[in-house]
Amino acid sequence: NAGVTQTPKFRILKIGQSMTLQCTQDMNHNYMYWYRQDPGMGLKLIYYSVGAGITDKGEVPNGYNVSRSTTEDFPLRLELAAPSQTSVYFCASRQGTLTSDNEQFFGPGTRLTVL
Amino acid sequence: AQSVTQPDIHITVSEGASLELRCNYSYGATPYLFWYVQSPGQGLQLLLKYFSGDTLVQGIKGFEAEFKRSQSSFNLRKPSVHWSDAAEYFCAVEGNTDKLIFGTGTRLQVFP
Repeated sequence: NAGVTQTPKFRILKIGQSMTLQCTQDMNHNYMYWYRQDPGMGLKLIYYSVGAGITDKGEVPNGYNVSRSTTEDFPLRLELAAPSQTSVYFCASRQGTLTSDNEQFFGPGTRLTVL
Repeated sequence: AQSVTQPDIHITVSEGASLELRCNYSYGATPYLFWYVQSPGQGLQLLLKYFSGDTLVQGIKGFEAEFKRSQSSFNLRKPSVHWSDAAEYFCAVEGNTDKLIFGTGTRLQVFP
């Protein structure tokens, strides 16, 4: 049981390039989330999904796209990388709607630099 | 709208000293409250959570937090800090939106 895995761990992009950040969970969780973490800013929600085929915008969705074709995978796509997207990206998952005995589990993060 | 404030950006304590990290939230109803810890280069780990009932909640690694509705606070405490507690700590709130709202974090430094 690996939990939430993210690839790659590190990536440097040039302005205008595109890439996909991969996120996979093996806990059969319905809910999945993408956050970005900037110094001194905490975590901001980019996109989330409550099940396969269902996605919705979070607080900072501009410049990103997501898809959820399977329960396990929730990739995040950057189409035209910009320096403002330099950040650490975290994926998380949860079984379902919030109850007292579930929680969000976080992946180890992807550190992205756009130059 | 939900929001979380962590007033202290950086706290330094000596090993063995007590610790209190502050967290204030804004939410119209009873919130669900969380504390997460992030060690350098790592993801986030849940320390403890409050849903309802007893306002003093116990978590992992010897941490506890107290929910005070009158003060809209959920402060994290530990009676004796260990060097391994050095990390960044995030308070978070969730209402009925299925989305966590995080504070900006408090970086804890521990001196021997």
